[in-house]
Amino acid sequence: ETGVTQTPRHLVMGMTNKKSLKCEQHLGHNAMYWYKQSAKKPLELMFVYNFKEQTENNSVPSRFSPECPNSSHLFLHLHTLQPEDSALYLCASSPTLAPVGSGAGGLNIQYFGAGTRLSVL
Amino acid sequence: AQKITQTQPGMFVQEKEAVTLDCTYDTSDPSYGLFWYKQPSSGEMIFLIYQGSYDQQNATEGRYSLNFQKARKSANLVISASQLGDSAMYFCAMREGDQGGKLIFGQGTELSVKP
Repeated sequence: ETGVTQTPRHLVMGMTNKKSLKCEQHLGHNAMYWYKQSAKKPLELMFVYNFKEQTENNSVPSRFSPECPNSSHLFLHLHTLQPEDSALYLCASSPTLAPVGSGAGGLNIQYFGAGTRLSVL
Repeated sequence: AQKITQTQPGMFVQEKEAVTLDCTYDTSDPSYGLFWYKQPSSGEMIFLIYQGSYDQQNATEGRYSLNFQKARKSANLVISASQLGDSAMYFCAMREGDQGGKLIFGQGTELSVKP
């Protein structure tokens, strides 16, 4: 079993559907992240949670709604998506949000799940 | 301006040879961390190596080493003794100071290892 598990692995939805992506980490980490990876574009950070509290929303449209009930679980609720939202959605976790710069910054290493490949029709 | 630049969209290397994947970065923050990830066709991003801006020595992890040239703002990944399983996309990423965990990724380099 991998440290970060994402379900489902593949999802096809219509523009009027409501669906949720789930992420679970078994690493005892305190910080969790959602990233979007579109074709031909670098990964984009969407949300950051630290100890269940949202610390970053990278100007994500409200049709994406994150939820973090505890440090081990992260959800991304989807509704009225657009075709351009089709992408690979990756979840990650890290031990902390410690300062970077020195070796201790290794505590910030983010470990990723295998992603959910989403297609919006 | 791009914060992370990977200028090699695709690279080929012969099995058992070494290969260098380029990465340059742009930041005015004295505290930052540099990361390399590998993404096979399965999609999972696999952490390879980390270098902090204050670290005096270049980071090494098994066959991976990071050639950190601070003045040139480059953080190239060196893979020694390439294996067929090294064929994948490789991403360089940076986190600045207190940017709340935000990793900024480059466009990636697709590495193909030839037998």
